[in-house]
Amino acid sequence: DAGITQSPRHKVTETGTPVTLRCHQTENHRYMYWYRQDPGHGLRLIHYSYGVKDTDKGEVSDGYSVSRSKTEDFLLTLESATSSQTSVYFCASRRSAATNEKLFFGSGTQLSVL
Amino acid sequence: AQSVSQHNHHVILSEAASLELGCNYSYGGTVNLFWYVQYPGQHLQLLLKYFSGDPLVKGIKGFEAEFIKSKFSFNLRKPSVQWSDTAEYFCAVSNFGNEKLTFGTGTRLTIIP
Repeated sequence: DAGITQSPRHKVTETGTPVTLRCHQTENHRYMYWYRQDPGHGLRLIHYSYGVKDTDKGEVSDGYSVSRSKTEDFLLTLESATSSQTSVYFCASRRSAATNEKLFFGSGTQLSVL
Repeated sequence: AQSVSQHNHHVILSEAASLELGCNYSYGGTVNLFWYVQYPGQHLQLLLKYFSGDPLVKGIKGFEAEFIKSKFSFNLRKPSVQWSDTAEYFCAVSNFGNEKLTFGTGTRLTIIP
């Protein structure tokens, strides 16, 4: 499996506080993605990146921002966390835009917003 | 926009039973299709994928899937399940030329020994 690490693995925070989740990959993959996983909704794309400083919104981007200053790092920020953002967050990456390329996933971050 | 439907939310089978999980997508054209599996406490892993050629695709651990373009379907099958197949299964679709992958809501599979 590709070397994708997410940090932290677990986080509990309070409503209204900012939170940043980090995704780090060692595969030199160009494309990186942030998904959230919720019961009954499967995985939904929050934001993705197609290169350094190049990002775009997914289907559930409201309340989230991202940054990619280096190929290996993709940060997801919740500017002001809400309870509806309690979820498991997965980072993924892939080498190219070829649509038959598989995604490699990180182990996830369990975020609880109280 | 592409959408993916997995109508079976939770499937419970006994060991050695045959398995078929449904997956339908909404948008036509050239598509790439994937099945991912998430074992308890683990991250998602690719089971198999289809992008062209033979519509019957074989993956790891004895799984296979058949792409039926006329039905917009990509159902996952396994002739004889094992307890270790207990996991959540996700179907995913990408349209040719689109970097985004759309996932279904997942099917939780529980195998009873």
